[in-house]
Amino acid sequence: GAVVSQHPSRVICKSGTSVKIECRSLDFQATTMFWYRQFPKQSLMLMATSNEGSKATYEQGVEKDKFLINHASLTLSTLTVTSAHPEDSSFYICSARRTSSYNEQFFGPGTRLTVL
Amino acid sequence: DAKTTQPNSMESNEEEPVHLPCNHSTISGTDYIHWYRQLPSQGPEYVIHGLTSNVNNRMASLAIAEDRKSSTLILHRATLRDAAVYYCILTVRNAGNMLTFGGGTRLMVKP
Repeated sequence: GAVVSQHPSRVICKSGTSVKIECRSLDFQATTMFWYRQFPKQSLMLMATSNEGSKATYEQGVEKDKFLINHASLTLSTLTVTSAHPEDSSFYICSARRTSSYNEQFFGPGTRLTVL
Repeated sequence: DAKTTQPNSMESNEEEPVHLPCNHSTISGTDYIHWYRQLPSQGPEYVIHGLTSNVNNRMASLAIAEDRKSSTLILHRATLRDAAVYYCILTVRNAGNMLTFGGGTRLMVKP
């Protein structure tokens, strides 16, 4: 099966700093990757859709200047949380879509961000 | 977007079958029915998907009602490792099968 990795798996940072999270598709090329956020006891919320070589599409209510997404290659997308605040503490999950007859989507293991 | 309705939680005994229901009364003809599950502190994992016919794979079976307004995920023999939140999601083929997660069903498996 297809594998998606995320790095780091867990990060703790001080308020005001920026944090970069990487999402890689290890054994397939992904023209499209997705970034989700999940707060405790809640479901996944889509933040943005990342397309290789073009600007990301953000969901309503997600600040594009705060959550910078770069999808520079077919196997890597990065999410940078700029000027992080405690309310940004969450579980961030990426997924990568492999082009097929029905566009399979594979998820990374998630990154737990804690902002102090 | 077509929505799904699932019970918030279900309990099962280990080594017994589990039937997880999902209602999707507004499903359209081109919507796929996907099931994903999420174990604690992990990303979601694909379980199974179908369009009209029942489907079987090594993880589970998917039974789709004849009118497609509901479906049931069947775990034939629940193990403790099957304890997770199970999400039933409809995806629109024309929209690249975007996944919109609802509340899901939290399955608890008792030894």
